[in-house]
Amino acid sequence: ILNVEQSPQSLHVQEGDSTNFTCSFPSSNFYALHWYRWETAKSPEALFVMTLNGDEKKKGRISATLNTKEGYSYLYIKGSQPEDSATYLCALGGHNDYKLSFGAGTTVTVRA
Amino acid sequence: GAGVSQSPSNKVTEKGKDVELRCDPISGHTALYWYRQSLGQGLEFLIYFQGNSAPDKSGLPSDRFSAERTGGSVSTLTIQRTQQEDSAVYLCASSLGIPASGANVLTFGAGSRLTVL
Repeated sequence: ILNVEQSPQSLHVQEGDSTNFTCSFPSSNFYALHWYRWETAKSPEALFVMTLNGDEKKKGRISATLNTKEGYSYLYIKGSQPEDSATYLCALGGHNDYKLSFGAGTTVTVRA
Repeated sequence: GAGVSQSPSNKVTEKGKDVELRCDPISGHTALYWYRQSLGQGLEFLIYFQGNSAPDKSGLPSDRFSAERTGGSVSTLTIQRTQQEDSAVYLCASSLGIPASGANVLTFGAGSRLTVL
């Protein structure tokens, strides 16, 4: 199991504000970094998969960046809306690994 | 099927009883994973199936936990003599191939919430 850390554990955002949070991972043995969104009472859903240093992915108002040399990924939410309220999970895939190792998640609550 | 189905969605049991949790993955997905999330914890890997075999079951917490997959499809996670620390949401996920390489993503079920009294 690879050690994946996410910070902060939770955050509250005012509707319309932008926010970002971090996923840190060991830079050695990196293969892929996944982001998933888990809304209450629903299944976790894949947001992004990134494999290359410097990768940037965007989906609507949500975007992510990747730095494999220093071992971190940022996820950004621009102009937060109440429907963005969820737990955001990052997960690391390593070489010669069958599974993804997940962080504990960042829970985002957007206040109207 | 259209998505990953898990049953039951909720299970309350008494300490010491056995429970079975079922996962029906997306048709054609050869890789199947079980994870669990205990209160306040992250997703904890339990076991990985490729077809009917389990190359990685390193995450099973004790010999009270077992899992099988039949026909390259449905999987059952069995917990014997349940303990209170087994209370968690058990998530099943499937994918076309191994997600660690970045070529595939996991599709999750809605989970089975287990409460052991």
